[in-house]
Amino acid sequence: GDSVTQMEGPVTLSEEAFLTINCTYTATGYPSLFWYVQYPGEGLQLLLKATKADDKGSNKGFEATYRKETTSFHLEKGSVQVSDSAVYFCALTNFGNEKLTFGTGTRLTIIP
Amino acid sequence: DADVTQTPRNRITKTGKRIMLECSQTKGHDRMYWYRQDPGLGLRLIYYSFDVKDINKGEISDGYSVSRQAQAKFSLSLESAIPNQTALYFCATSDQPSGQETQYFGPGTRLLVL
Repeated sequence: GDSVTQMEGPVTLSEEAFLTINCTYTATGYPSLFWYVQYPGEGLQLLLKATKADDKGSNKGFEATYRKETTSFHLEKGSVQVSDSAVYFCALTNFGNEKLTFGTGTRLTIIP
Repeated sequence: DADVTQTPRNRITKTGKRIMLECSQTKGHDRMYWYRQDPGLGLRLIYYSFDVKDINKGEISDGYSVSRQAQAKFSLSLESAIPNQTALYFCATSDQPSGQETQYFGPGTRLLVL
């Protein structure tokens, strides 16, 4: 079945550092890929998505590129802020599989 | 006002008790989902519904039941709660076809079973 593997945390960075959170997937066909973010005390919200190979999703300074050749969708941001502290989930959906499959989440803490 | 609301936000109950978690949405979406979140395990799907007459089991449905009372309401019940059902529960909605799902999540219900 489909699965998502993401970088284990927790990750702690200083403000303005460069961020990468790795995500790889296993799926048949052509899944859609997502990054969701969960701020403290809140539900998940969509951060960005990509629905086909080589697409780049971007939002709030975050980017991720759908790489079918490496089955990856790594999340990057050039300069993180304290307000980016949250848990980040990589996820996918696949045609015929009517649900989101999530990775285990990566907790990110940014220190001033 | 929030588009997806969950009640209660926090609940403590005892082993063997019946408990219901409620979810309401104002987004007009047909699809609704219940997940549980456990540390180190991400989110796992319990049940999902594509309309009022369509209910489907997810990957961890044992010990749970659901009711889709209306398009806007989707309730999750634990008939006889047990301690390993202690978790954070999320309701979500979507209106997109499979393969391009963007789901909208409620704020969660934190459940503790003693």
